[in-house]
Amino acid sequence: QVQLQESGPGLVKPSQTLSLTCTVSGGSISSGDYYWSWIRQHPGKGLEWIGDIYYSGSTYYNPSLKSRVTISVDTSKNQFSLKLNSVTAADTAVYYCARDRGYYEFSFDYWGQGTLVTVSS
Amino acid sequence: QSALTQPPSASGSPGQSVTISCTGTSSDVGGYDYVSWYQQHPGKAPKLMIYEVSKRPSGVPDRFFGSKSGNTASLTVSGLQAEDEADYYCTSYAGSNNFGGVFGGGTKLTVL
Repeated sequence: QVQLQESGPGLVKPSQTLSLTCTVSGGSISSGDYYWSWIRQHPGKGLEWIGDIYYSGSTYYNPSLKSRVTISVDTSKNQFSLKLNSVTAADTAVYYCARDRGYYEFSFDYWGQGTLVTVSS
Repeated sequence: QSALTQPPSASGSPGQSVTISCTGTSSDVGGYDYVSWYQQHPGKAPKLMIYEVSKRPSGVPDRFFGSKSGNTASLTVSGLQAEDEADYYCTSYAGSNNFGGVFGGGTKLTVL
């Protein structure tokens, strides 16, 4: 059974960089069968796709966040990470990592439990 | 890429059926058979219920049925149960020129 777990600071100051890591267990990122995603949900709102990464390091970002987002992968640790810079209060959200079934899918079959990140001074 | 349109709310009594719609365009829902549906209970992560328009992952009851006609996809929940009360989101691949897709705004399903 694949499991994903987000980790990182729950509080980030405005203008700083939000950094989160997703650890995958029960399956290998290096298998190449899936893409690995970050998705967020603002309090009481809907879901927003942030971006995907493939085990090779190829990345794909939501155009609305692209200028501030970096997603990276560490296959040796079976982890992938999110960095979002120049954060504001509008970036306060629950951040989820998830497994994307494939390039043409945009379908997320396993999710982490989510981690709330608050942007505040 | 604009968000897919879902009704904000839907409701039904136990045992009844309810259908939730998800309307997009020919660039997403209408152009590809890659529509998914998710169930989200309060404080929990979303759970994949339907993928590729009508396929159910292992463990999802066959009370959940997905379909598509033109630019509109639908999720039908039959034999409503109390535990079906949740938020439901649709997604669609939309990336012939760009990787990625779009989410629907979500529908709150209430079991009366």
